[in-house]
Amino acid sequence: KAGVTQTPRYLIKTRGQQVTLSCSPISGHRSVSWYQQTPGQGLQFLFEYFSETQRNKGNFPGRFSGRQFSNSRSEMNVSTLELGDSALYLCASSLRTGTTGANVLTFGAGSRLTVL
Amino acid sequence: DQQVKQNSPSLSVQEGRISILNCDYTNSMFDYFLWYKKYPAEGPTFLISISSIKDKNEDGRFTVFLNKSAKHLSLHIVPSQPGDSAVYFCAASGIGQGAQKLVFGQGTRLTINP
Repeated sequence: KAGVTQTPRYLIKTRGQQVTLSCSPISGHRSVSWYQQTPGQGLQFLFEYFSETQRNKGNFPGRFSGRQFSNSRSEMNVSTLELGDSALYLCASSLRTGTTGANVLTFGAGSRLTVL
Repeated sequence: DQQVKQNSPSLSVQEGRISILNCDYTNSMFDYFLWYKKYPAEGPTFLISISSIKDKNEDGRFTVFLNKSAKHLSLHIVPSQPGDSAVYFCAASGIGQGAQKLVFGQGTRLTINP
């Protein structure tokens, strides 16, 4: 069965531009999460969506936003890009619907964003 | 505020020996802990998890130990194989609203030498 698919895999933008990243979760997974990975910082939680609703949001500025569609596909958008936004953006999906049990996430390969 | 910490950025182990990766946390409300492995140009892959009510969980060559009083967990890989060379992340999840996200450590790069 297909895994989590993220597009594009690589992109280069300049400061001030905006970017949209796309994520297709595993079929049947309704929860989609986004994480930012930068060197030395591990993975930082951005937000999580379930059934088109944002259930949780990390400590990122309002320039970072996301949405989920009725087919569970998700997009995240970063506006007014800054140099510090250069990172690997990882999308993950989960079969879990509630809040009990281990939240095992299946990650995509990520979208590597470089801001010049 | 780094709630999950992996204090060793790197670890080198000889093939066939035991690899021990460590992780410390500060939030006593975490109820599950997970370990992920990441190869270059790939997303993290789930390895093993442990509930906060357990102190050990084993899956093949991988065993995770949890010491709640010390707020410490460790991943043991026995025997270590060259394919285990990767970056390992520990992660934790809370309860209620906190259950929707994983809090990750910074990662430890494990190198298995032949």
